Parts: sequence; C-alpha cells; structure tokens
Amino acid sequence: NAGVTQTPKFRVLKTGQSMTLLCAQDMNHEYMYWYRQDPGMGLRLIHYSVGEGTTAKGEVPDGYNVSRLKKQNFLLGLESAAPSQTSVYFCASSYVLAGFNNEQFFGPGTRLTVL
Amino acid sequence: GENVEQHPSTLSVQEGDSAVIKCTYSDSASNYFPWYKQELGKRPQLIIDIRSNVGEKKDQRIAVTLNKTAKHFSLHITETQPEDSAVYFCAPRNDMRFGAGTRLTVKP
Repeated sequence: NAGVTQTPKFRVLKTGQSMTLLCAQDMNHEYMYWYRQDPGMGLRLIHYSVGEGTTAKGEVPDGYNVSRLKKQNFLLGLESAAPSQTSVYFCASSYVLAGFNNEQFFGPGTRLTVL
Repeated sequence: GENVEQHPSTLSVQEGDSAVIKCTYSDSASNYFPWYKQELGKRPQLIIDIRSNVGEKKDQRIAVTLNKTAKHFSLHITETQPEDSAVYFCAPRNDMRFGAGTRLTVKP
C-alpha cells in the first residue's frame, strides 16, 4: 500500500501560469481533501470530495478548482497562479463507517512557489 | 460552520513534565475528535482519537479527554520526551476545520 501520494513534490511557477496537482490514494477511501499550509500556520481546507464525481468548497476555495473523476484520484487546479498561492499543499483521504468519519491519511505534501 | 479554537498556541516544557492542549469547538453534531501531530517538514499524522460516546481514552503516555457538554476536548502527554516536540492539531468532526495548532517544545 502506497497510501496517499502527491505529484509533484516541488514546483515553481510564474504569476499567471497554470498547473494541476495530483493526489492518488489506494485505500478505497470515499472522502478526499485538499489543504494548504502557510509557514507557521494551520491547515486550511480548500476543497473536498465525499465521493467520485462530487466536490465541495472548503474555507479558502477562491483561485482553485478540483475534479474527482475517479474514486482514487483528486486533482487540484490553479488556473492563474498568484504569489499569494505560495504554500505547501496537502492532500488527505478518509473513510466513513457507521456514520462516523475516521482518521485522515495525509500525502507528503507539494511545496509550491509562485514568483 | 464549525468554530475551532486551540490553546495554548505555544507550549514549552521540561523533559519529563506533562503537557495539556485544549480544543474548543462549536458544532454539537461533532462525533469524532482526533489529534494530529506534525513534525517539522513532515505530514500530519493521527496520534489519538476519541468517539462521542467515550469520555477518555489513553494510549501509553498520550490521553484524550472529552467534555461534550462544554464542547471541548484535550490532549494530555505525560513524561514528555524531546521527540514529542512538534505541532499538534485538533480537528473536531475531522471533516472541515482544523485548529490553528499548538507548537510544543520539550527541553532536554
């Protein structure tokens, strides 16, 4: 089991460029999440998905789009990158059992710098 | 939406002392209360969790206590060691909002 993987690990963009971050999980989890973590800060939820084909906005969705075409993959897109989007991005997944949400498993993170 | 507050924001203790971190939440529907540990440059990882039908749970030096009436739960670390130094996050309901984090430093 690879758990949760993220691609790429590092990326440098220029303002206005676009990119897609890929998250993959092999645990058959229903829920998937994208967070950003700024230096010395907590985790802020960007978007999340409760199942294949569904997505929802989190706390800080502006400037990002997501897609969940397959259960195991959750993509995060930046259409026109801005310096304020410089951050570390974490993907996570979890399962629900008998009405209870359960432990989130996090990917290793993607460090994105926008110049 | 859920309002989550975590205190203190920083905590420094001597090795061997105890540390307590408190998390206050607003959503009475929360039914799952995890604590995550994030070491420098690493991903967050679950260290202990508790369900809404249990008041306390212990795992070796780590414990979590839950007070649903007052809407708060706490992380207790006893006999702290330098490797406990990290940032700790609470996440009531575990599906949306994390606490801002507590940076724990254990001095040898």
